[in-house]
This record gives sequence, structure tokens and C-alpha cells, in this order.
Amino acid sequence: GQQLNQSPQSMFIQEGEDVSMNCTSSSIFNTWLWYKQDPGEGPVLLIALYKAGELTSNGRLTAQFGITRKDSFLNISASIPSDVGIYFCAGLYFGNEKLTFGTGTRLTIIP
Amino acid sequence: GAVVSQHPSRVICKSGTSVKIECRSLDFQATTMFWYRQFPKQSLMLMATSNEGSKATYEQGVEKDKFLINHASLTLSTLTVTSAHPEDSSFYICSARASGLGTDTQYFGPGTRLTVL
Repeated sequence: GQQLNQSPQSMFIQEGEDVSMNCTSSSIFNTWLWYKQDPGEGPVLLIALYKAGELTSNGRLTAQFGITRKDSFLNISASIPSDVGIYFCAGLYFGNEKLTFGTGTRLTIIP
Repeated sequence: GAVVSQHPSRVICKSGTSVKIECRSLDFQATTMFWYRQFPKQSLMLMATSNEGSKATYEQGVEKDKFLINHASLTLSTLTVTSAHPEDSSFYICSARASGLGTDTQYFGPGTRLTVL
């Protein structure tokens, strides 16, 4: 099925650095969701965005719903070891209850 | 946030046996649940959409007779892998849809690791 373009595919950063990742689509969405998945676990919802231009924070995480409705961004400030994992974006369009997933961004913290 | 549980968390079975996986929404009602399969280092692949009180809708290429889905209540959906074979070994994850006025979200279960010997 369709997948969203998510970049970067992987990131290697040092603890304390800020992180930025984004997700782009050729079609518009009405809802953008950001999830984090740890090894052997299911995805956990981090932030949900429902309005174009919306900027929402959850602790050190901030996500934005792109004004064109075709993209979304996730920023993590002052990364810590527990931020390690795979981050997925997902989009929903009204009338279609199925999520369209991004390809994932694997975050690794270098000691 | 809303909580979705899955049971069992991991199961090992012999080839040819059937395995049932339960997905429960613990603090909300979900008329729609979804079943995904995930291979190592890949994104989630939707297998089927489970609707309470009606037949599941399967994605292209997913055998409905092999992966039986039952959504008997607003808080429980089950996936039964029938006559399992080693190629069915995978990580199975369910999600439950929570929708309200102007909002639509899916919450995921912790996943079930199936190993078929």
C-alpha cells in the first residue's frame, strides 16, 4: 500500500542534541499522528494533529501540521537515551479510517 | 491516553496448530479495530479492518480463511492464525480506533510475537 516519505531514514546523534524529522505526502491528510516504537513493542502515540498549521507540544516533543496538509514535522529537543527508537508518522483522511504510515526514522544516540 | 492490550505477548507453536490473539481496548469502546503485521526493520503492514458486529475487511493478498477475525464486542477483537506455518512467524499488532468530534486516532497494542516451529 501507499507509504509516506519520511526522512531521515536514520539519525545518529549525541545526547543533548536536538532532532528534527519530517514526513511528506503527495496527497492531503486531515490528521497527522506521530508514534514511537521501541524494539518488541507496539507503537505509542506521541502527538496527534488535527488542523493545518497546528503546532502541538508534548514535553520535549513538538510537532506541526504543515499548512499545505501534505507534510508534518516532529522535533525533539535535548535528546536523552530513552528517546532511542523508531519514529513513525501516519496520516488519516476523512472518510478513510485506515492509517497511511511513514517509512520510519530510526534514532540512535551515540555515547 | 487510551490503553489497548494484547494477549498473549508471545507464543511459540508447532506447525499446523492454530493460535488465537486477543486485542482489547481497556478504557474506551472501539467499533473499529485493525490488525497489522510487522517484519523486522519494516513499517506496519495492515492485514485487516475489524468492525464490531460485522465481517472483517481484508487487505489484498491476506487470506481471510487463514487469518480469522472476530470482533464480538466493542472492546474485543480476536485474530486466529489457522494451521500456522513457519512463514507466519511475525510480530502481530492490533490497534483500536478512537474517534470523537473532529478527532480520529488509533491506539496500538503492545504486539504479539508469534514463532511457528
